[in-house]
Amino acid sequence: DAGVIQSPRHEVTEMGQEVTLRCKPISGHDYLFWYRQTMMRGLELLIYFNNNVPIDDSGMPEDRFSAKMPNASFSTLKIQPSEPRDSAVYFCASSYRGPQETQYFGPGTRLLVL
Amino acid sequence: SQQGEEDPQALSIQEGENATMNCSYKTSINNLQWYRQNSGRGLVHLILIRSNEREKHSGRLRVTLDTSKKSSSLLITASRAADTASYFCATPNSGAGSYQLTFGKGTKLSVIP
Repeated sequence: DAGVIQSPRHEVTEMGQEVTLRCKPISGHDYLFWYRQTMMRGLELLIYFNNNVPIDDSGMPEDRFSAKMPNASFSTLKIQPSEPRDSAVYFCASSYRGPQETQYFGPGTRLLVL
Repeated sequence: SQQGEEDPQALSIQEGENATMNCSYKTSINNLQWYRQNSGRGLVHLILIRSNEREKHSGRLRVTLDTSKKSSSLLITASRAADTASYFCATPNSGAGSYQLTFGKGTKLSVIP
């Protein structure tokens, strides 16, 4: 298996622009997670899905962030409008056993908002 | 919410030496996991130890879990330069209605050739 795939790997945008991050989980994994990593706050869970349904979005910082999972092999995380404080590395991860079991991470998207 | 906290924050050793890092947590857990992150990469799962296990091995890795002290340790034996990375412990969150993993801030390990 190719592992979790994320795109783009790097994104540089200007404040106010819309940003869309993409993720393809490992086939057969029913759980998909979006994390954000910064030096100050470490790794934070934003939202996770089970069978394409959002289960816990309590980590989504504000209404500017939204996530969708239209099918089992694709998810997006959208930031609109983006702000400089959104600059971070965003990871997607998937799991087949549950939200508290082993997770498989993608390579991440490094986002810089100017 | 509970959170694993790693100690030390940074560790520098010579190649061939053993590296030990620790994780402490606050409330009861059913498992504890260790992950590695190389610079600029995603996290890679290393090992999962369940609450009824005291020790687990995987290659040069040895993980212990002491539920009475709410702590775990990760030992890397005969370290190599390629072991240079950040190491994170992850614990299940027991917050009401919340089922997720919470990651610590990590231990940054540098192995000097």
